Amino acid sequence: AQSVSQHNHHVILSEAASLELGCNYSYGGTVNLFWYVQYPGQHLQLLLKYFSGDPLVKGIKGFEAEFIKSKFSFNLRKPSVQWSDTAEYFCAVNADSSASKIIFGSGTRLSIRP
Amino acid sequence: NAGVTQTPKFRVLKTGQSMTLLCAQDMNHEYMYWYRQDPGMGLRLIHYSVGEGTTAKGEVPDGYNVSRLKKQNFLLGLESAAPSQTSVYFCASSYPRRKGMGANVLTFGAGSRLTVL
Repeated sequence: AQSVSQHNHHVILSEAASLELGCNYSYGGTVNLFWYVQYPGQHLQLLLKYFSGDPLVKGIKGFEAEFIKSKFSFNLRKPSVQWSDTAEYFCAVNADSSASKIIFGSGTRLSIRP
Repeated sequence: NAGVTQTPKFRVLKTGQSMTLLCAQDMNHEYMYWYRQDPGMGLRLIHYSVGEGTTAKGEVPDGYNVSRLKKQNFLLGLESAAPSQTSVYFCASSYPRRKGMGANVLTFGAGSRLTVL
């Protein structure tokens, strides 16, 4: 079965530290990749997405992600985190050739110390 | 413009009871999804639909049924609730990027918290 792995379950950083959250997927076909964020008490919302083209994708709030096909990875990065980035982050990928079946990883909880 | 609306927001059931969660979207989206969120497990896909009258199984479909009789509605049913189905359920919808190109960005509802005693 297709899967998405997020190995960092809980990351704790100080403000201004750099962030990298790992995401690996198992689907071998053409992939559409997403990072979603869930701020405390809010709906899940999109951070960024990759469909094709430049493998370095920029999203909202200074986040970016790099698609590395050979490593089946789509890691999320931010050079300098803020307290307001405290949230849970989910990686998602299509799990079929029609790209309509979207599956998520187990999520990474990010806590930022002010 | 409500987006994705889930009802009810909270529900407590006894083991063996049945219930239906309703998801309604007003964005004319083709694709609709039901996920469950459990601590440490992330979001797991239960069932999804790529259009009115069609449904497909996700990662954890057992114990659930779905129906998409109208394009704007996607119902999730629990025929005989079990404590293992205690969870937060999220509905999401999306339009296709282009015909046959798969889902675009998902719009999520606020979630429905279900407790089965």
